[in-house]
Amino acid sequence: DTAVSQTPKYLVTQMGNDKSIKCEQNLGHDTMYWYKQDSKKFLKIMFSYNNKELIINETVPNRFSPKSPDKAHLNLHINSLELGDSAVYFCASSQVTEAGEQFFGPGTRLTVL
Amino acid sequence: TQLLEQSPQFLSIQEGENLTVYCNSSSVFSSLQWYRQEPGEGPVLLVTVVTGGEVKKLKRLTFQFGDARKDSSLHITAAQPGDTGLYLCADSYGNKLVFGAGTILRVKS
Repeated sequence: DTAVSQTPKYLVTQMGNDKSIKCEQNLGHDTMYWYKQDSKKFLKIMFSYNNKELIINETVPNRFSPKSPDKAHLNLHINSLELGDSAVYFCASSQVTEAGEQFFGPGTRLTVL
Repeated sequence: TQLLEQSPQFLSIQEGENLTVYCNSSSVFSSLQWYRQEPGEGPVLLVTVVTGGEVKKLKRLTFQFGDARKDSSLHITAAQPGDTGLYLCADSYGNKLVFGAGTILRVKS
């Protein structure tokens, strides 16, 4: 059983295009996240949603817009893609507890040409 | 802004060797988590440590948390090729994880 799933696994697109990445978790968690991992493997939080409400926005450009239709889903839409957006994007989920474990999806490798 | 430094950045060893990787923070950890990320996968939690001086063991992995709660080490005994991956330390506070840059470990058979 997949706990946190993301689609697509790979995404190759041209500069200027708009694309979306979908994420679903079947763990019953209240909180979901998007992280970006750059080419040097540095992993940085972008957004966090709790019960469909945005609670963390780490100064991410407005071109990135997360949407949470329900607690189990958190999608990421990116407008006007730029070369610098190329990275691996990870979705994660957790329960809201102190030092709670986060469960990560397999990642979406985005390549902007 | 908290900075987490991990060392070494890259480690390549033979199967059966022991190794230690380190994580140092510019400020006191709220709680420290160690994750392992295998190629093409997302990070998976190995351990959470909260109390200064705490030592936790997970099979061949030993995690130590410094008394001042600003540093940690991960020691692997008799490394195996299956230990290959990116080892990440992270500070967990509230709903947020702040990660170090990681140590890439390669264990050759």
